[in-house]
Amino acid sequence: EAGVAQSPRYKIIEKRQSVAFWCNPISGHATLYWYQQILGQGPKLLIQFQNNGVVDDSQLPKDRFSAERLKGVDSTLKIQPAKLEDSAVYLCASSLGPGLENEQFFGPGTRLTVL
Amino acid sequence: QQQVKQSPQSLIVQKGGISIINCAYENTAFDYFPWYQQFPGKGPALLIAIRPDVSEKKEGRFTISFNKSAKQFSLHIMDSQPGDSATYFCAAITDSWGKFQFGAGTQVVVTP
Repeated sequence: EAGVAQSPRYKIIEKRQSVAFWCNPISGHATLYWYQQILGQGPKLLIQFQNNGVVDDSQLPKDRFSAERLKGVDSTLKIQPAKLEDSAVYLCASSLGPGLENEQFFGPGTRLTVL
Repeated sequence: QQQVKQSPQSLIVQKGGISIINCAYENTAFDYFPWYQQFPGKGPALLIAIRPDVSEKKEGRFTISFNKSAKQFSLHIMDSQPGDSATYFCAAITDSWGKFQFGAGTQVVVTP
């Protein structure tokens, strides 16, 4: 079974530039998550999708971050404009459903460096 | 705010020793407590998980101990091996939408 795919793996940009990350979840997984993991910290949930609908985006900085999951499969996360504090690893995860015991499978992440 | 507090930040253990990582939470609404293992350059992977109605769960060399009254839980890695060297995260989940709160992580180094 293929895992969660993310691209690019690394991205370096200047502050105030825009950047987009892509995620392809495990086939059949209805729930998709984007996390931000700052160096030395645990992942922080940014947004959760159930199929193509948003169920939780309470910690997403909506003035600069946006995400979509068209057709309920792939997802993109965008930052516009980027700030220095956005430097982090952005992790995508997917699960069969939203239930407590549905295991989340994580992708390898995209490491973003904002200069 | 940090809803799940994890300690220590790092630990070094000799091969064959026991690694112990502790987590504490405040929100009594949490009702599922997984532990994740993360290797450099990889995403976290589920290691073991427990519900609050169970005081202990063991899977191979990994054991979770849960103290509901103290709102604390811990991961014990028995007979630690160099391949266990990784960062370990505790987490707590509340409600059916599976919203995670992760601890800050513990970097474990197992020396040969």
